[in-house]
Amino acid sequence: AQTVTQSQPEMSVQEAETVTLSCTYDTSESNYYLFWYKQPPSRQMILVIRQEAYKQQNATENRFSVNFQKAAKSFSLKISDSQLGDTAMYYCGATNKLIFGTGTLLAVQP
Amino acid sequence: DTAVSQTPKYLVTQMGNDKSIKCEQNLGHDTMYWYKQDSKKFLKIMFSYNNKELIINETVPNRFSPKSPDKAHLNLHINSLELGDSAVYFCASSQSFQRLAPDTQYFGPGTRLTVL
Repeated sequence: AQTVTQSQPEMSVQEAETVTLSCTYDTSESNYYLFWYKQPPSRQMILVIRQEAYKQQNATENRFSVNFQKAAKSFSLKISDSQLGDTAMYYCGATNKLIFGTGTLLAVQP
Repeated sequence: DTAVSQTPKYLVTQMGNDKSIKCEQNLGHDTMYWYKQDSKKFLKIMFSYNNKELIINETVPNRFSPKSPDKAHLNLHINSLELGDSAVYFCASSQSFQRLAPDTQYFGPGTRLTVL
């Protein structure tokens, strides 16, 4: 069975600093992709970044980047220059079963 | 314009009642989904329809019945509501669904269901 694990239930970071959220997964599929969604207090689910497993280059979206270690089945999210608006629950997920991790609540402190 | 909309946003009802949640997307997508987010914030896929056909049906009680009148709508009907059904239900859509590389999903705002 596919699983996605986020080992950090909560994290805190100071505004303008960098924070890394951890995610590990397990899958028997040879081709898949991984993603991070954020859910701010508004409850809206917003895609942050996605990574196809066959691509070796780490995905980057502005201040958000991933460290994809395929052999270790690790997919961490790095947020640079943290902003107050980054405060949210962050979910790591994997296809093909559309499985989400349990989430990491990130609080950005002023 | 709202891309994926759900109604109602809040729903409070008594145990044993039957209720429906509606979802509509105006993105022209072929695939729609229903997710359940429980009190611990766990998010779990329930159903998915592609062009009105059921393609994902996870282990969900048969009291839950999705209905897709057309590919822009996916409604969720719940019979004989139980306390454990209290959760936030999210609808989502994507351009298409390929098993190994589903397209990016766009989520609705969620419906908070409270069963008393």
